[in-house]
Amino acid sequence: NFMLTQPHSVSESLGKTIVISCTRSSGSIATNYVQWYQQRPGSSPTTVIYEDSQRPSGVPDRFSGSIDSSSNSASLTISGLKTEDEADYYCQSYDNTNHGVFGGGTKLTVL
Amino acid sequence: EVQLVQSGAEVKKPGESLKISCKGSGYSFTTYWIGWVRQMPGKGLEWMGIIYPGDSDTRYSPSFQGQVTISADKATSTAYLRWSSLKASDTAMYYCARYALSYFDYWGQGTLVTVSS
Repeated sequence: NFMLTQPHSVSESLGKTIVISCTRSSGSIATNYVQWYQQRPGSSPTTVIYEDSQRPSGVPDRFSGSIDSSSNSASLTISGLKTEDEADYYCQSYDNTNHGVFGGGTKLTVL
Repeated sequence: EVQLVQSGAEVKKPGESLKISCKGSGYSFTTYWIGWVRQMPGKGLEWMGIIYPGDSDTRYSPSFQGQVTISADKATSTAYLRWSSLKASDTAMYYCARYALSYFDYWGQGTLVTVSS
């Protein structure tokens, strides 16, 4: 199976833009959709991006997702950072037998 | 409104068995996969496996195959995660979540399992 690698932590100032990457170890990133989940301390995860770039209703358009085949990675971009965005973010994909994989998670600190 | 309500926290001893539950409501339970996700203390999310309650088709992550059993009861719209012999390393928060073909769209509140002698 493949792995998804994320930076352990990132930080950026209030109001700025941050990009969190998620690199697939083998197989094409474009083969299976990538999702992004936000987990605040003490809470269950929630979906912020699904199917590479789709936003569930209720998620602000400050959140966007994309994939880049050249680097075999997916990215979550959060613009206009707010203190409420401080959380752990996980990417997730799956293989062709529906076995899922999570990235290791990225802790976002908003300065 | 879609809801997944999980059973309460458990404290068990090594070697004991345990079954935790996840009751779905507000949607057709038999037409969506349900998955289980482990989160060990201070660690990330781990995919354990998914089940399709309509026909009990179950897919386990290789890391969890043989370690746990995932099942579902259509009559009560409830999914289960079972251990036959717990280990201290099973101490974790366990989440159930509805799987909408490629992603988890609704999550339960989590069940904390503590295994300690």
